[in-house]
Amino acid sequence: DTEVTQTPKHLVMGMTNKKSLKCEQHMGHRAMYWYKQKAKKPPELMFVYSYEKLSINESVPSRFSPECPNSSLLNLHLHALQPEDSALYLCASSPGQGAPGELFFGEGSRLTVL
Amino acid sequence: QKEVEQNSGPLSVPEGAIASLNCTYSDRGSQSFFWYRQYSGKSPELIMFIYSNGDKEDGRFTAQLNKASQYVSLLIRDSQPSDSATYLCAVFDSNYQLIWGAGTKLIIKP
Repeated sequence: DTEVTQTPKHLVMGMTNKKSLKCEQHMGHRAMYWYKQKAKKPPELMFVYSYEKLSINESVPSRFSPECPNSSLLNLHLHALQPEDSALYLCASSPGQGAPGELFFGEGSRLTVL
Repeated sequence: QKEVEQNSGPLSVPEGAIASLNCTYSDRGSQSFFWYRQYSGKSPELIMFIYSNGDKEDGRFTAQLNKASQYVSLLIRDSQPSDSATYLCAVFDSNYQLIWGAGTKLIIKP
């Protein structure tokens, strides 16, 4: 069982909808990530939160809005998405600066934009 | 453009044999190296990491790092059908970024 929990597992939304993806971890990790993954491609980094502060934003369109309410929770707010945004959205956590690259992924939220 | 390269495969290996997966990287200042396994439709799972030149063993898995030649490999001994997956190599480079390879699809044939 993964220790990073993502909800919902599947989401279908129209281009005018507003929805949110949620992620929770209870491993005491201080870094949390959002990745986007298309079929047969590696994960693509979107955002990094370190100690609850946004530290990396990989030039992601503003229709994706991250939020880190506390050290255990990470949200990704979605608004006015495009069909090409359909993908698997992965949340990950890592112990922090001492262990870069050691990522623990949730099961992902598979998003379909109609 | 810093790159991490893997043969996309598929790499087909008989059950019980050794599967050898390779990864090369362009940034000579890269610091740490990771292997993730991803089953179809699932999320990546970290299976090995290596920071120093040489071999690191964990059960049936061995990671090998050669910084001079800029390659890292993953050996899977006594391959099982359950090892069939895509294996992603990731490299933490000198700019403190995690660069991913495109992955190698491994098929273990019973």
